[in-house]
Amino acid sequence: DTAVSQTPKYLVTQMGNDKSIKCEQNLGHDTMYWYKQDSKKFLKIMFSYNNKELIINETVPNRFSPKSPDKAHLNLHINSLELGDSAVYFCASSNHRTNYGYTFGSGTRLTVV
Amino acid sequence: DAKTTQPPSMDCAEGRAANLPCNHSTISGNEYVYWYRQIHSQGPQYIIHGLKNNETNEMASLIITEDRKSSTLILPHATLRDTAVYYCIVRSPNNNNDMRFGAGTRLTVKP
Repeated sequence: DTAVSQTPKYLVTQMGNDKSIKCEQNLGHDTMYWYKQDSKKFLKIMFSYNNKELIINETVPNRFSPKSPDKAHLNLHINSLELGDSAVYFCASSNHRTNYGYTFGSGTRLTVV
Repeated sequence: DAKTTQPPSMDCAEGRAANLPCNHSTISGNEYVYWYRQIHSQGPQYIIHGLKNNETNEMASLIITEDRKSSTLILPHATLRDTAVYYCIVRSPNNNNDMRFGAGTRLTVKP
């Protein structure tokens, strides 16, 4: 069983569209995250959710909205997609306030055309 | 969070030990040192972490200096599949600090 799974793996869409990326973890972790890796390969944290509460909201455009229906899921919804949103998006999970590391998903490659 | 400094790239011969350095001179007392790696745009993979004692697991060893201002990740017998970008991160789990990735070290294992 995959610990942190993301769908879809690849997503190609046109500018202006609205799209969602789904993430699920079966590790029993209480915190989930979204990271963005751009073409320069820098990994930057976008959001984290703990017990359905947003703990960190980095300075990302408000077109991006994380949605967590339950502790095991954190979906990323993006409105009005722009060319600059093209990147690989990674979901991760952990137990908050423990010293253990994060478990990452395999990524979703988003291409906006 | 303390920042880390890593060399941008390193080479290692297959079968030899790979020693990846990391400087974290401003690390504070409750911050752990974490190592991750990313193989060709896959998701980052946790390797090891430590506070002040040296640590070893099935993947690697982590050597932290006594003053905690630097550390070294050791892959004892590097293989071609260890070619990846290796990230050293310092973080305290006691607050809302999250894993912040720098540029890392691109390790190339050569046959």
